[in-house]
Amino acid sequence: LAKTTQPISMDSYEGQEVNITCSHNNIATNDYITWYQQFPSQGPRFIIQGYKTKVTNEVASLFIPADRKSSTLSLPRVSLSDTAVYYCLVVPKGNSGYSTLTFGKGTMLLVSP
Amino acid sequence: DTAVSQTPKYLVTQMGNDKSIKCEQNLGHDTMYWYKQDSKKFLKIMFSYNNKELIINETVPNRFSPKSPDKAHLNLHINSLELGDSAVYFCASSQDRGSGKSSYEQYFGPGTRLTVT
Repeated sequence: LAKTTQPISMDSYEGQEVNITCSHNNIATNDYITWYQQFPSQGPRFIIQGYKTKVTNEVASLFIPADRKSSTLSLPRVSLSDTAVYYCLVVPKGNSGYSTLTFGKGTMLLVSP
Repeated sequence: DTAVSQTPKYLVTQMGNDKSIKCEQNLGHDTMYWYKQDSKKFLKIMFSYNNKELIINETVPNRFSPKSPDKAHLNLHINSLELGDSAVYFCASSQDRGSGKSSYEQYFGPGTRLTVT
């Protein structure tokens, strides 16, 4: 499994755009890049997933360069409620319909007023 | 409507006891998982069941025994509880997307905080 490296913590203010970068130098051809969000005392929640280039949904954008050795989760105009831990995961595509998620330490994002 | 539910939310018990945590999902998913999040916040997979069959069994003491009575339920029974078992246990589920697909989108329950004294 490809190992991921991301900052332990980040600080931001309300209304700012936050970019969290994750390194995954050993990513394999069949691996997807996936981000989860975890609030205190809750289970992780899927945010976004991508394979290459750019993916955008109602919550975030995910930028993946051509070499796929890193990815950047972009949160536009964060609010206090975006304070959470954000996990970057590399998930094998595999031949089965199920996957094991390997969570790292994540990035603790603190949004201040 | 709760997608993945767990009971109990909190569980305090003494060393040596046997306890169970229940999990139910109403999403119609084929695969269910148990994860353990320790005091350092590391989240690790323990077990995975696909259509009631065990498919993933990580290095977990055999005091932990998952049971899946049907596709919507995955319970976790723990025998002879130890202090080190104190953690938050999360149940999750995902849809079997078929051959060649990756079930990267897993739905997690609210967690069960187990405290062993």
